[in-house]
Amino acid sequence: DAEITQSPRHKITETGRQVTLACHQTWNHNNMFWYRQDLGHGLRLIHYSYGVQDTNKGEVSDGYSVSRSNTEDLPLTLESAASSQTSVYFCASSVGNTGELFFGEGSRLTVL
Amino acid sequence: AQRVTQPEKLLSVFKGAPVELKCNYSYSGSPELFWYVQYSRQRLQLLLRHISRESIKGFTADLNKGETSFHLKKPFAQEEDSAMYYCALLNQAGTALIFGKGTTLSVSS
Repeated sequence: DAEITQSPRHKITETGRQVTLACHQTWNHNNMFWYRQDLGHGLRLIHYSYGVQDTNKGEVSDGYSVSRSNTEDLPLTLESAASSQTSVYFCASSVGNTGELFFGEGSRLTVL
Repeated sequence: AQRVTQPEKLLSVFKGAPVELKCNYSYSGSPELFWYVQYSRQRLQLLLRHISRESIKGFTADLNKGETSFHLKKPFAQEEDSAMYYCALLNQAGTALIFGKGTTLSVSS
């Protein structure tokens, strides 16, 4: 079955370290998204991509970067992790501008 | 500005009681609105969209442009409805969803 997977599911890191969260989908969806989920803030868009080599900043992109070298993957990199980036991160994909997103299971990141 | 407001962090009801999860939006033009749900230990998933005008798991949501609202309703809550519910708006550019802060629905017997 087609799927969207995130790894790692849980990670603890230290302030200042570089962290990469992986997202892989097998639906061949062009559109991929990264959101963070925080209590009191809901889901906020970090970055998104509408195809290979396309990346766009979302609402809370500072301190994060993404790259899209193929259709299946959109890794999220925290260049220098900060405690404010402790959160649950969700990757999602969609086939078009339908508003129907398919979400991964989430990656819980703790920055100490 | 494009914005989604869910005024309630938590809504607690008894089984069999009616449920209304509130969602208000700010948008220029004709919005496309959605409700997403996250059950415990499950992925966030689409519940319904206003364009479809459908009823899913007994839930309905009507777009009220005059009140800029898209409240989610169910006449008789079930325990399995307990979950986090997010209202979402497709942004003006049509490129991404803007989510509200979410409402946790707790249904007890």
